[in-house]
Amino acid sequence: GQQLNQSPQSMFIQEGEDVSMNCTSSSIFNTWLWYKQDPGEGPVLLIALYKAGELTSNGRLTAQFGITRKDSFLNISASIPSDVGIYFCAGTNSGNTPLVFGKGTRLSVIA
Amino acid sequence: DAGITQSPRYKITETGRQVTLMCHQTWSHSYMFWYRQDLGHGLRLIYYSAAADITDKGEVPDGYVVSRSKTENFPLTLESATRSQTSVYFCASSASQGAYYGYTFGSGTRLTVV
Repeated sequence: GQQLNQSPQSMFIQEGEDVSMNCTSSSIFNTWLWYKQDPGEGPVLLIALYKAGELTSNGRLTAQFGITRKDSFLNISASIPSDVGIYFCAGTNSGNTPLVFGKGTRLSVIA
Repeated sequence: DAGITQSPRYKITETGRQVTLMCHQTWSHSYMFWYRQDLGHGLRLIYYSAAADITDKGEVPDGYVVSRSKTENFPLTLESATRSQTSVYFCASSASQGAYYGYTFGSGTRLTVV
C-alpha cells in the first residue's frame, strides 16, 4: 500500500524558534493534509492542500504542496509552548481511497 | 452535543474477551473510519464505511469486526482480544472519502488487553 515517510520523528526546540517538517510519498497525491494531535486527544486538521505548488497559511503555520506532488512541508514560525504535540501529514491520490497517514513528528518546545 | 464521540475513553479487558468500541457522530457524514495508533506506527486504518451497511477493510483489519446499521454509529468489535490489540483507537468521520474536507476525529479509546 501507499506509504508516507514523515521526518523528523521528533524535535526538541526552544520557544521562539521556527520549525520545519516534511512528508514524502512513494506515489503522487492530489490532496495533502496536516493534522496536530494534543496529548490525550484525537488529531485536529490544521491545513489542507489541493494543488501542486500551493502554499497555505493558518496563523503561524504554513504548509506547501510540493510541485512533484510527492511531498509536502509544514513550517511553524516563532514556536510557543502550546505547539507541543504530534503533527501528522496525511494524503490521498484519489477521491475513492481513504487517507494515508505518516507516522508523525513529535514536537517538544522548551520554554 | 454535536460532534463525534467515542466510548468508553478507557477500557481494560482480558485476553480472549470480546469488546466493542462505540463511535457516534451527529453530522450525518457518509464516511466513517477506525484507526489505531501505536508508537512507531502512527495511525493505521482498520476499517471504513461509505454508508450504512457498506464497509471495507483497511490496512490492519485482522481480528476486528465492524457494522454500520445506522449512519450515525460505527462500532468496532474485537471478537477475541489479544495483547497485540492494546492500542489507542480513533474513530473519524467525513463528508467525503477523498478527504476534501478532511476527517474529524473523536477523542479516542485507550484499550489495554491483559
